[in-house]
Amino acid sequence: AQTVTQSQPEMSVQEAETVTLSCTYDTSESDYYLFWYKQPPSRQMILVIRQEAYKQQNATENRFSVNFQKAAKSFSLKISDSQLGDAAMYFCAYRSADAGGTSYGKLTFGQGTILTVHP
Amino acid sequence: DVKVTQSSRYLVKRTGEKVFLECVQDMDHENMFWYRQDPGLGLRLIYFSYDVKMKEKGDIPEGYSVSREKKERFSLILESASTNQTSMYLCASSPVGTSGDYEQYFGPGTRLTVT
Repeated sequence: AQTVTQSQPEMSVQEAETVTLSCTYDTSESDYYLFWYKQPPSRQMILVIRQEAYKQQNATENRFSVNFQKAAKSFSLKISDSQLGDAAMYFCAYRSADAGGTSYGKLTFGQGTILTVHP
Repeated sequence: DVKVTQSSRYLVKRTGEKVFLECVQDMDHENMFWYRQDPGLGLRLIYFSYDVKMKEKGDIPEGYSVSREKKERFSLILESASTNQTSMYLCASSPVGTSGDYEQYFGPGTRLTVT
């Protein structure tokens, strides 16, 4: 079974600064997907960024980028130019890539990291 | 826009009551999921469904059951609520794609308190 670990229960950053959230995972599979989801206070969880394991290039979405280290099984999220609206709980998640198989798109989540942004 | 809705944002029930949590999605997604979210534990999968009337246990199914009579609706049932089922419950849906490049869409959550 896969496991996902977020070792930082809480992080804080000054507005306009950069912060990195850590995530490690354990799997015996060679093909999979990794995700970062954002859960703002009292609002719905939304996808921030995704990474396909067979792609060596790190994914980027505007101010959000990842550092994917497949051999180290590490998947960190970097938020540049932090904004007050980035304050949220962030979850790292893993999904097996057996498209059409028995995983049915199930996600395995980490424990979450609460990000505080200071003005 | 994909929309996943849950019947209640907040719910307070008594120990031993039968509790129904409803989830509806409007994007014709095949897969639907129920998670519970607890501090320090992240989200844990309770049950999921990959088709109407089809269901599979997740990681923590004990004390729960589910029903999916229509494609757009997935219900979580607590047969006899207990205080250790006090939690935030999140519903999600996703399509099936051969590329695997698809995401789960989440509802707003139901915060259930069992007293």
